[in-house]
Amino acid sequence: QKEVEQNSGPLSVPEGAIASLNCTYSDRGSQSFFWYRQYSGKSPELIMSIYSNGDKEDGRFTAQLNKASQYVSLLIRDSQPSDSATYLCAGAIYTGTASKLTFGTGTRLQVTL
Amino acid sequence: DAGVIQSPRHEVTEMGQEVTLRCKPISGHDYLFWYRQTMMRGLELLIYFNNNVPIDDSGMPEDRFSAKMPNASFSTLKIQPSEPRDSAVYFCASRGVGATEAFFGQGTRLTVV
Repeated sequence: QKEVEQNSGPLSVPEGAIASLNCTYSDRGSQSFFWYRQYSGKSPELIMSIYSNGDKEDGRFTAQLNKASQYVSLLIRDSQPSDSATYLCAGAIYTGTASKLTFGTGTRLQVTL
Repeated sequence: DAGVIQSPRHEVTEMGQEVTLRCKPISGHDYLFWYRQTMMRGLELLIYFNNNVPIDDSGMPEDRFSAKMPNASFSTLKIQPSEPRDSAVYFCASRGVGATEAFFGQGTRLTVV
């Protein structure tokens, strides 16, 4: 079992709709969670981070964390064609100098016109 | 700051040859990560350093892979001898003191023929 699991997709949503991306993790020691966006042929770029249970909103993006269920999600409101990319979920564990950041395989999002 | 800088951007080599990938982290960052990305396995953590010291190399696939960080501004990932299955995009990322987010370089696309 991978430490961070994501559905590979593709997830197809029409322009203007809400895209919902989900992620589960296996290590309860994970303390911080991140969503990265990766366009084809480019490097991952950080779009959201979340550290405590609940919701965190930033513009059209909302990250949700439920540590009891070991579940992280990303909602993208008013989806735009420019949101079409692969979204990578990552979890981090910090212990002394150890700071392991583990990624899921990513969910490909397609926003259609 | 110019961000994380990797070189070369593309590398094509013949099987059996030695390959060296280079990374310059963001100035002042104390963590450096090396990842490998393939379609099948996603983004895999190979090794990471804290203050130039390797902390966890459990992701290094085999003894053909080695990584060094001789100083705070430079790291190398070496593959000797290279094999076709090593073909992938290799990313370097760095993280600052007390921060949680990691920032990625543009990656090196390695093709071993």
